Amino acid sequence: EDQVTQSPEALRLQEGESSSLNCSYTVSGLRGLFWYRQDPGKGPEFLFTLYSAGEEKEKERLKATLTKKESFLHITAPKPEDSATYLCAVQAWYGQNFVFGPGTRLSVLP
Amino acid sequence: DADVTQTPRNRITKTGKRIMLECSQTKGHDRMYWYRQDPGLGLRLIYYSFDVKDINKGEISDGYSVSRQAQAKFSLSLESAIPNQTALYFCATSDLPPGLAGGPGSGELFFGEGSRLTVL
Repeated sequence: EDQVTQSPEALRLQEGESSSLNCSYTVSGLRGLFWYRQDPGKGPEFLFTLYSAGEEKEKERLKATLTKKESFLHITAPKPEDSATYLCAVQAWYGQNFVFGPGTRLSVLP
Repeated sequence: DADVTQTPRNRITKTGKRIMLECSQTKGHDRMYWYRQDPGLGLRLIYYSFDVKDINKGEISDGYSVSRQAQAKFSLSLESAIPNQTALYFCATSDLPPGLAGGPGSGELFFGEGSRLTVL
């Protein structure tokens, strides 16, 4: 059974304090690993797709990396507007449905 | 206007009532999904449809039904609502993943703004 876990459950950072969020997964035949950002009361918003171990993608203060067992979302010098819940999901080649982790709730304090 | 539109955005109902949540999209995607989100449990798949004639059960389909009226419309029904169906419901669409025949897009999900349902 495909599974995704995320840690920590919640993270509080001071503005400018860099950190990483973890997404661990087990899947039979990974087609892609996806990162989303979700603001309160809103639908998740797509950030990145990673397809193979060793791949990295960057967008502003965010960088996502992928290994065969986990993905990290690195946040460099975060700002208060980066506060959100970050969701990780995997999609297998078989079935092609998305399995989501529970998310990490990030708070960046000014 | 949003690419994926859900109605209603908020609904309070009573146990035993029939509820329909509607979703329409302008992305032109064939694939549509209904998820529910509960605190600490993440997004769980209720039903999905890869084209108009295709309907599939997801992880938690019991107590729910769906109808795919057109490529752009996918509705979720609760025939007899119960309190543990209180949750935030999301509709999503996606293109074919890269690598599959005829799939030009990136394959990620595009979500609506959500429908908050409370069953008393």
